[in-house]
Amino acid sequence: AQRVTQPEKLLSVFKGAPVELKCNYSYSGSPELFWYVQYSRQRLQLLLRHISRESIKGFTADLNKGETSFHLKKPFAQEEDSAMYYCALFSGGYNKLIFGAGTRLAVHP
Amino acid sequence: DSGVTQTPKHLITATGQRVTLRCSPRSGDLSVYWYQQSLDQGLQFLIQYYNGEERAKGNILERFSAQQFPDLHSELNLSSLELGDSALYFCASSVGGSDFSYEQYFGPGTRLTVT
Repeated sequence: AQRVTQPEKLLSVFKGAPVELKCNYSYSGSPELFWYVQYSRQRLQLLLRHISRESIKGFTADLNKGETSFHLKKPFAQEEDSAMYYCALFSGGYNKLIFGAGTRLAVHP
Repeated sequence: DSGVTQTPKHLITATGQRVTLRCSPRSGDLSVYWYQQSLDQGLQFLIQYYNGEERAKGNILERFSAQQFPDLHSELNLSSLELGDSALYFCASSVGGSDFSYEQYFGPGTRLTVT
């Protein structure tokens, strides 16, 4: 079964600390993975997609097929990074976009 | 402002009723996606339309249907409403539609409350 797991509901760190938001997936084919972010009172927006191998707002995410993971990382968290983060998997064979439950990141001063 | 608009902002209705939610994509975008966000189910992809045709389907109930019109706006129809259908429904649009690699721009959502 296709599934996206974000094991942490809440991740609380201090400003300047490294951040890693975990995402594991279950998918038999070749996955396409994304990270979405929703800041307080704002709309959901695409943060990263693995095929682009880009860094947005200092965040990076590497697809690890061996560990079936797509963790989101940032070396030095900022207060403005506080938001809800969703990992998502597009299963092309089934034409579905599957979201994880989301992780709330709280960055404290 | 992403350029994606949705109406109405809020909707309160009774169980068993039918409602229609509307989404207007950004100018030039051909794809429209519908999502449901609730406390119980989290964030769920419902359905995608590309240039008037259904392109991808998620966990959309049979009581729900959608369509995209020639002017590219889309409507999500929810019928035989149940209390559990109470959620935030939002749409997104993107230029392309062959997969989810095209950046999606999200609307503000319609808050549906079923009483």
